[in-house]
Amino acid sequence: GEDVEQSLFLSVREGDSSVINCTYTDSSSTYLYWYKQEPGAGLQLLTYIFSNMDMKQDQRLTVLLNKKDKHLSLRIADTQTGDSAIYFCAESEPATGTYKYIFGTGTRLKVLA
Amino acid sequence: DSGVTQTPKHLITATGQRVTLRCSPRSGDLSVYWYQQSLDQGLQFLIQYYNGEERAKGNILERFSAQQFPDLHSELNLSSLELGDSALYFCASSVDGGSGYNEQFFGPGTRLTVL
Repeated sequence: GEDVEQSLFLSVREGDSSVINCTYTDSSSTYLYWYKQEPGAGLQLLTYIFSNMDMKQDQRLTVLLNKKDKHLSLRIADTQTGDSAIYFCAESEPATGTYKYIFGTGTRLKVLA
Repeated sequence: DSGVTQTPKHLITATGQRVTLRCSPRSGDLSVYWYQQSLDQGLQFLIQYYNGEERAKGNILERFSAQQFPDLHSELNLSSLELGDSALYFCASSVDGGSGYNEQFFGPGTRLTVL
């Protein structure tokens, strides 16, 4: 079935690293995405990873993918107060003929000054 | 600014009523997706249209319907509204180019409150 889970809350101090975790169940997912939702705003793509990759780095963001355990993580280095938001992982399985996203529950990141 | 517009931004209505939410996709995008974000259900996929045709259906209630017009804008119709339909409704658009990678661009959402 389709079920993507995340922890609900994470609190870190400014300048520390944040790690947001996600587990998914659909092993045929080919792309996994991380979206950021700021208060009162829509969702914005942060980064993505293709299922044949283990890691992807993009400036302060590092995505790790463990296909065996169906585990995805997003690490934000040097976390800033502007990073406070809700972070969603999403999986997509285009082999089904649709690129619909199955979203995780979302992790609310609070950055303390 | 994602290039996806949604109207109205806020909607307050009563139980039993019917409302229409509108979405204009980014220029060139053929696919439109509708999602519902509520506190208890999270962010759920409702329905997808591609170039005017329904492509995929998710957890969309029978009281809800959608369509995509020739100019590619889309409308989501919600009828016989219940208190539990109060949520943020997002529209997203994408190219669906067939390569597997498919970024969806999200609109700012319509906040629906049913009283």
